[in-house]
Amino acid sequence: ETGVTQSPTHLIKTRGQQVTLRCSSQSGHNTVSWYQQALGQGPQFIFQYYREEENGRGNFPPRFSGLQFPNYSSELNVNALELDDSALYLCATRDGNLNEQFFGPGTRLTVL
Amino acid sequence: RKEVEQDPGPFNVPEGATVAFNCTYSNSASQSFFWYRQDCRKEPKLLMSVYSSGNEDGRFTAQLNRASQYISLLIRDSKLSDSATYLCVVNNRDDKIIFGKGTRLHILP
Repeated sequence: ETGVTQSPTHLIKTRGQQVTLRCSSQSGHNTVSWYQQALGQGPQFIFQYYREEENGRGNFPPRFSGLQFPNYSSELNVNALELDDSALYLCATRDGNLNEQFFGPGTRLTVL
Repeated sequence: RKEVEQDPGPFNVPEGATVAFNCTYSNSASQSFFWYRQDCRKEPKLLMSVYSSGNEDGRFTAQLNRASQYISLLIRDSKLSDSATYLCVVNNRDDKIIFGKGTRLHILP
């Protein structure tokens, strides 16, 4: 096991709603990245946080936002949900000094 | 050109055979490279990092060709348990992490 947990495991929302997904990292892993993985695709990088600051972002609109807390746990918030937001959302943590990422099991979001 | 490209497969390979896949990347400033493995409905897991000098871990060999901007993964003596999707990952200098779409591998008994 990677020691990375995500909640909830599954979620169903309707268009226009807002959602918050959570990720808890291994102790000492100060960098967290969030990914969106649609069916049959590779994970798409959403953004990365290092010590509570966003320090990298992929091609996602501002309605995708995040937070990282002093204990290095993290949230992904998505506003104004669209049908295409239906996907597996993965968080991955790492020690800032190492490159290996440890993935959580993901949250499967369905937007109806 | 996509930032990271992989042949999606599927590669259907008999048990015991050797299989190889490549992954090309477009950003010449890319700094680090990895192969991840993802089983169906599971999260990706690191298979191996890819170093400039090439590296081997048991039946798995990874190589990096910076001049041609590709990385490769070779699996020897394939096992049924090697069936999975193999994801190529590239870290850029700006800490942007790019995954390929993955290559599906089916090992046939």
